Amino acid sequence: KAGVTQTPRYLIKTRGQQVTLSCSPISGHRSVSWYQQTPGQGLQFLFEYFSETQRNKGNFPGRFSGRQFSNSRSEMNVSTLELGDSALYLCASSPPTTSGGGFGQFFGPGTRLTVL
Amino acid sequence: SQQGEEDPQALSIQEGENATMNCSYKTSINNLQWYRQNSGRGLVHLILIRSNEREKHSGRLRVTLDTSKKSSSLLITASRAADTASYFCATEETSGSRLTFGEGTQLTVNP
Repeated sequence: KAGVTQTPRYLIKTRGQQVTLSCSPISGHRSVSWYQQTPGQGLQFLFEYFSETQRNKGNFPGRFSGRQFSNSRSEMNVSTLELGDSALYLCASSPPTTSGGGFGQFFGPGTRLTVL
Repeated sequence: SQQGEEDPQALSIQEGENATMNCSYKTSINNLQWYRQNSGRGLVHLILIRSNEREKHSGRLRVTLDTSKKSSSLLITASRAADTASYFCATEETSGSRLTFGEGTQLTVNP
């Protein structure tokens, strides 16, 4: 199976702009989670989608939003970008829990966002 | 916010030596996982240990979990230069929920 894919891989934006990142999970995975990684805050959970519904949400401002489509692909959007939004954004998908578990999450390569 | 702390923050060893990394966490968990990240790339799942397990092995990896102390350790035996990476522990409070990551240990294996 193909792994988790994220597009674009690199992005440069300026303050005040908005950005949309895309994630395609592994085929058959219906849960998609998003994480932000920065040198100062480490890896932080943004949100999780399952069957097109947001199931979990981290402690991020409303400028960060996401959605999931019927084919399980997910997008996250950041509006009114700030310098502090510069980070590696990672997407992860999980196999169905009915598969027995124990597989952890499968991460994509990430999108490196730089805000100037 | 970070669930736990990892110790040490950085570890430098020679090829063939063993590397031990420790992780502490704060809340009750369903399972604890270890991930590896090569510089600036995505995370790779290494091993998962459930809260009712005490030790688990996978190849050169050995993970222990002490729920009474809320701590875990990852042992990599006979390390190789290719093991050079950052290692993160992550906890799941309930199955299928969010992962809460530790701060990571940067492991350098010198050839």
